[in-house]
Amino acid sequence: DTAVSQTPKYLVTQMGNDKSIKCEQNLGHDTMYWYKQDSKKFLKIMFSYNNKELIINETVPNRFSPKSPDKAHLNLHINSLELGDSAVYFCASRKTGEEKLFFGSGTQLSVL
Amino acid sequence: SQQGEEDPQALSIQEGENATMNCSYKTSINNLQWYRQNSGRGLVHLILIRSNEREKHSGRLRVTLDTSKKSSSLLITASRAADTASYFCATDGRYSTLTFGKGTMLLVSP
Repeated sequence: DTAVSQTPKYLVTQMGNDKSIKCEQNLGHDTMYWYKQDSKKFLKIMFSYNNKELIINETVPNRFSPKSPDKAHLNLHINSLELGDSAVYFCASRKTGEEKLFFGSGTQLSVL
Repeated sequence: SQQGEEDPQALSIQEGENATMNCSYKTSINNLQWYRQNSGRGLVHLILIRSNEREKHSGRLRVTLDTSKKSSSLLITASRAADTASYFCATDGRYSTLTFGKGTMLLVSP
C-alpha cells in the first residue's frame, strides 16, 4: 500500500544504454515530479507534470523524456546514458492546492 | 537555481541533546517546509511554516521563520538515535515546485 512507488530501486547499466524508471502513486494526486539527487545530496527538480501535462522542464537534456500515461503514473526514459547521469532519481507527487510533497524511495542509477 | 542553504552541513550530537539546523533562502516565499531523509530512502515531510508565521511546533520539532532575514531554523529537542538523517529545507518556487537546500546531515549517537 506504498503511496509513491518507484521501480527499479537500483539500476546498473553501461554507458550508451537506454533505460526507464517507473513511478506510480495511489494518493489520487494530480501533480507529479521527477527530482535528481547528486552525490552531494543536492536535489534538483527535473520535470513537473499536472494532469498528464508537462509544466516544467528544468534544462534537462533531451535524452531524458518523461511520459505520463495517466495522473497516477509518471515514467522517466533516459536515452544514451552518460556517466554524469549517475545519481538517485526521486519521483514525488502532491495534490494541487496542497504544499506537501510525497516522495518515492528513489532509484539509484549507476552508469558504468 | 538553488534557493535554500542549510547549515551546518553536518552535525553530530549525543542522544538527549538538542539539534538546531538553519536554512537561508534568497527570494520571497509563501511558505517554507522541512523534510527528513533517512539513508537510502525518500524525503518525508516534517513541518510547514507560512510566511506570516514566526514559530511553529510539532511534537519535538520547533521551526522558526524570519522573513526579514530570509532564514529559518529547525530545532529537534531531546534527540534520539532514530533522528539520525539528513534534513532539508524547501521553499516554494515557480509553478508550485519546491526548491531544496543542500541539507544538514544529523548524527545522533546513543
